[in-house]
Amino acid sequence: QVQLQEAGPGLVKPSETLSLTCTVSGGSLSAYYWSWIRQPPGKELEWIGNIYYSGSTNYNPSLKSRVTMSVDTSKNQFSLNLSSLTAADTAVYYCARQVPGYHSGYYVDSWGQGILVTVSS
Amino acid sequence: VLTQPPSVSGAPGQRVTISCTGSSSNIGAHYDVHWYQQLPGTAPKLLIYVNNNRPSGVPDRFSGSKSGTSASLTITGLQAEDEADYYCQSYDSTVNNYGYVFGTGTKVTVL
Repeated sequence: QVQLQEAGPGLVKPSETLSLTCTVSGGSLSAYYWSWIRQPPGKELEWIGNIYYSGSTNYNPSLKSRVTMSVDTSKNQFSLNLSSLTAADTAVYYCARQVPGYHSGYYVDSWGQGILVTVSS
Repeated sequence: VLTQPPSVSGAPGQRVTISCTGSSSNIGAHYDVHWYQQLPGTAPKLLIYVNNNRPSGVPDRFSGSKSGTSASLTITGLQAEDEADYYCQSYDSTVNNYGYVFGTGTKVTVL
């Protein structure tokens, strides 16, 4: 059973860049898409983007200008950088594994526990 | 992009249904629909994948369906431990808003 664990700061200042890392255990990064999903307090889930183990990426168009994702297969980790932070970026950030459906599209079969990131001065 | 009722409720043993209404650029474009359960203070958990399939360990009182531009999650025989938030998820192919999308979420209350 694959397990995911987010790591990073719990508090960042406005205009700064958030950097989060997800460590995968119990399985390899190979042949999967790895995602970041966030949830503002009391609100719904928002897909930020995903990265294939080879490094190709897909980003949410609404965040694309501020998002960068990378993967380190030697450490079994993948990372998220989100720049130009504002209070609206305050949320629980989840890392997750996406797997293909039968017909089209992917779904999340494994989630990290999440990390609360607060943007405040 | 995917609209769900904010809340539904039912007594133990009753059947409740949660709708997920999309459009021709997501559910109506034949993209699969998946459902997640989020217990208070925890990460979401996969409940139904590819419209109507249950992962191992998910009770058979949970079922999913899809038709046209909508999908539904049904809980038959509601139990106290089912009190949680539920989210649908699909893919949207709108030119300027493509990507994976989640529903607005539904809180299930067991009376």
